[in-house]
Amino acid sequence: EDQVTQSPEALRLQEGESSSLNCSYTVSGLRGLFWYRQDPGKGPEFLFTLYSAGEEKEKERLKATLTKKESFLHITAPKPEDSATYLCAAAQGGSEKLVFGKGMKLTVNP
Amino acid sequence: DAGVIQSPRHEVTEMGQEVTLRCKPISGHNSLFWYRQTMMRGLELLIYFNNNVPIDDSGMPEDRFSAKMPNASFSTLKIQPSEPRDSAVYFCASSDSYPNSPLHFGNGTRLTVT
Repeated sequence: EDQVTQSPEALRLQEGESSSLNCSYTVSGLRGLFWYRQDPGKGPEFLFTLYSAGEEKEKERLKATLTKKESFLHITAPKPEDSATYLCAAAQGGSEKLVFGKGMKLTVNP
Repeated sequence: DAGVIQSPRHEVTEMGQEVTLRCKPISGHNSLFWYRQTMMRGLELLIYFNNNVPIDDSGMPEDRFSAKMPNASFSTLKIQPSEPRDSAVYFCASSDSYPNSPLHFGNGTRLTVT
């Protein structure tokens, strides 16, 4: 069964304390790995798409990387406004179904 | 760009009643997705359409759920009859060339069935 697993489920950081979020996937024929940010009461907001192992994308304090089995979202020197739930999703080949992980709630304390 | 528009934002209904959720995708997008989000199960794909045609409805829980896309600018998700276990946030998302482009989500409809 195609699965996307995120760890940890929740993470609390101090402002400026860098860390990484993990997303492991078992999806046949990966077509794309997506990262989203979700704020309370809102829909997920797109951050990055990665298509092949070794690919990296950056946006402000966030950097996403992809291997054949995992993706990492690195957060450098986070600020309180980075507090949100971060979701990853894998698009599988064939049906092209987009399967989401359960998310990781990040809290950055000032 | 107005984004994906969903209505209503909140819906409270009694068990057994019919519920209709509405979605207007971003203009020009040809793929539309309905997801359900709960604390226990996260985001689950219910159904997705490409060019107004349902492509994968394997996530629709049971016959009580139905979805339509009569044209490129409107879709509905209907639950009849509703049950308490249907309580969740329902999201609609659209894309212009999925999977080569990401999904853009609306802000969801929070459904509570009592």
